[in-house]
Amino acid sequence: LAKTTQPISMDSYEGQEVNITCSHNNIATNDYITWYQQFPSQGPRFIIQGYKTKVTNEVASLFIPADRKSSTLSLPRVSLSDTAVYYCLVGDSAAGRRALTFGSGTRLQVQP
Amino acid sequence: GAVVSQHPSRVICKSGTSVKIECRSLDFQATTMFWYRQFPKQSLMLMATSNEGSKATYEQGVEKDKFLINHASLTLSTLTVTSAHPEDSSFYICSARASGSLSSYEQYFGPGTRLTVT
Repeated sequence: LAKTTQPISMDSYEGQEVNITCSHNNIATNDYITWYQQFPSQGPRFIIQGYKTKVTNEVASLFIPADRKSSTLSLPRVSLSDTAVYYCLVGDSAAGRRALTFGSGTRLQVQP
Repeated sequence: GAVVSQHPSRVICKSGTSVKIECRSLDFQATTMFWYRQFPKQSLMLMATSNEGSKATYEQGVEKDKFLINHASLTLSTLTVTSAHPEDSSFYICSARASGSLSSYEQYFGPGTRLTVT
């Protein structure tokens, strides 16, 4: 599984756009990029998944450059409730039987 | 959407006793469930993979005789921490993969169980 590198922590203010970048230099051809959100004392929650270019849903956008060696999770207009740990995962979608390998994640703190 | 529940949500037990944690997929069948452990301020670490009707596969360093896993049905997996010690205090999280799904994101996580061993 490709190793991922994310900033350990980030700070933001309410209403701002937050971009969290994840590096995955060894991503394989079959790998997808998935982001999860985890609040304290809760299980992770799926946010978004993509393979290339841009994916957008009601919660976030995911930008993936052509070389796919990195990806950026974009959270528009964050609120205090977006304070959480965000994990970037890379793995083979076709091998979904495997457990997910979590890296250290990025601890986002949103302030008023 | 798919829901995974865990019971209990938190438990306190005395050192030397055993604790059972249940993981249920409420509205889908899961041939595979995963058990993770998370210590404070750390990431999730996979403990074992639970397959319905067969023995669990444990990650390196996880004692199979201490962490007993049973996946007796397509909607229930249990993790029993035997002879618990204070160092077993942690947040235990399960995830379930829907049968037949191919997408890696189709794993649904439970809310976790906070175990405190005194």
